[in-house]
Amino acid sequence: AQKVTQAQTEISVVEKEDVTLDCVYETRDTTYYLFWYKQPPSGELVFLIRRNSFDEQNEISGRYSWNFQKSTSSFNFTITASQVVDSAVYFCALFISSGSARQLTFGSGTQLTVLP
Amino acid sequence: EAGVAQSPRYKIIEKRQSVAFWCNPISGHATLYWYQQILGQGPKLLIQFQNNGVVDDSQLPKDRFSAERLKGVDSTLKIQPAKLEDSAVYLCASSRDGVAGNTIYFGEGSWLTVV
Repeated sequence: AQKVTQAQTEISVVEKEDVTLDCVYETRDTTYYLFWYKQPPSGELVFLIRRNSFDEQNEISGRYSWNFQKSTSSFNFTITASQVVDSAVYFCALFISSGSARQLTFGSGTQLTVLP
Repeated sequence: EAGVAQSPRYKIIEKRQSVAFWCNPISGHATLYWYQQILGQGPKLLIQFQNNGVVDDSQLPKDRFSAERLKGVDSTLKIQPAKLEDSAVYLCASSRDGVAGNTIYFGEGSWLTVV
């Protein structure tokens, strides 16, 4: 069975600070995909990034960066120079590619509040 | 490109009443999902369709929940009779197909309150 753990329930930072959101996953599959989604108060889950299990290269997109380490089963997300608009719930999710029913398994989310 | 559309956005009903939610996925997306998100938790898959066939409904409470996707496009999720614990956001999502790695896109959700 697969599992995603986001140990940080809530984080508050002051604008312009950097913040890292942690994600640890469990799976026996060797092929899988990891996702990060952002959920603002409106409720829609906004796709941020997808990473497959064979690609451990870190990625940077503007103020966002992701650190994927298979050795520790972690896929952490860093926001540099945070802004008030970054305030949202962030979900890490795991997608398994084996079996007939492929689905996303979500963590419980991290509520990020960026204070002005 | 239009995103995943859902309606209604908000619904308040009394327990034991029925409710239906509608979803229109992104054009051309063969796979459609319904997720339930209880406040403070991550979304949980209820049912997955590939075109108009059910791929996985193992977590759907079939005594009260039903879903269909008759023509392989739009889908409807019904709850009858509703219980207090059904209060949640019901998220519809779609992907090009069920292949691993395809991005799953979500709608804004239908917020249900059962009183």
